[in-house]
Amino acid sequence: GAVVSQHPSRVICKSGTSVKIECRSLDFQATTMFWYRQFPKQSLMLMATSNEGSKATYEQGVEKDKFLINHASLTLSTLTVTSAHPEDSSFYICSARDSGGSQTEAFFGQGTRLTVV
Amino acid sequence: QKEVEQDPGPLSVPEGAIVSLNCTYSNSAFQYFMWYRQYSRKGPELLMYTYSSGNKEDGRFTAQVDKSSKYISLFIRDSQPSDSATYLCAIQKNFNKFYFGSGTKLNVKP
Repeated sequence: GAVVSQHPSRVICKSGTSVKIECRSLDFQATTMFWYRQFPKQSLMLMATSNEGSKATYEQGVEKDKFLINHASLTLSTLTVTSAHPEDSSFYICSARDSGGSQTEAFFGQGTRLTVV
Repeated sequence: QKEVEQDPGPLSVPEGAIVSLNCTYSNSAFQYFMWYRQYSRKGPELLMYTYSSGNKEDGRFTAQVDKSSKYISLFIRDSQPSDSATYLCAIQKNFNKFYFGSGTKLNVKP
């Protein structure tokens, strides 16, 4: 299957700092990428849909100014958690849809475990 | 009401058993149905997807959809310890949004 690389896999940061997470599609182009958040023993919660060259679409309750999304190319989307607080600690996962493939398939990155201390 | 409901388990079975994982959904407009497997601290990987009622088989895995009952299942035959993971059902209404179940944690004991 297609490969989505997410970096870093684990990050610890101090409260008040910002953290950037990258999501790259390695062998396909992705006009659409998705950012999820997953709490322990819970399912994935969609945060936003990232579209190449345009503004991301955020789900209700997700702060746009806190979770900045940039999808500047067909293979890269970034999520920046600004002014991070301990309650932002979570597992963040991106997924990407192959623009040239089935619209029903989305491939996931390995996830990023963010810990804010 | 949640869009997708899934029993969180955990489900513990002996090696070689047949495993049945299930989800129900609320909206008859959903068109595409997927099962993902997620190992601890990893991203989900797609196992199977289908868009019609009936069964779809891939090796030891069979996905079943019953649109009249809004019920989907994943069966795993001859389960192996390596199948131990959390299994997530996902449903798609249009091409832009997935709805995930809460995941069922499966443990296959050697």
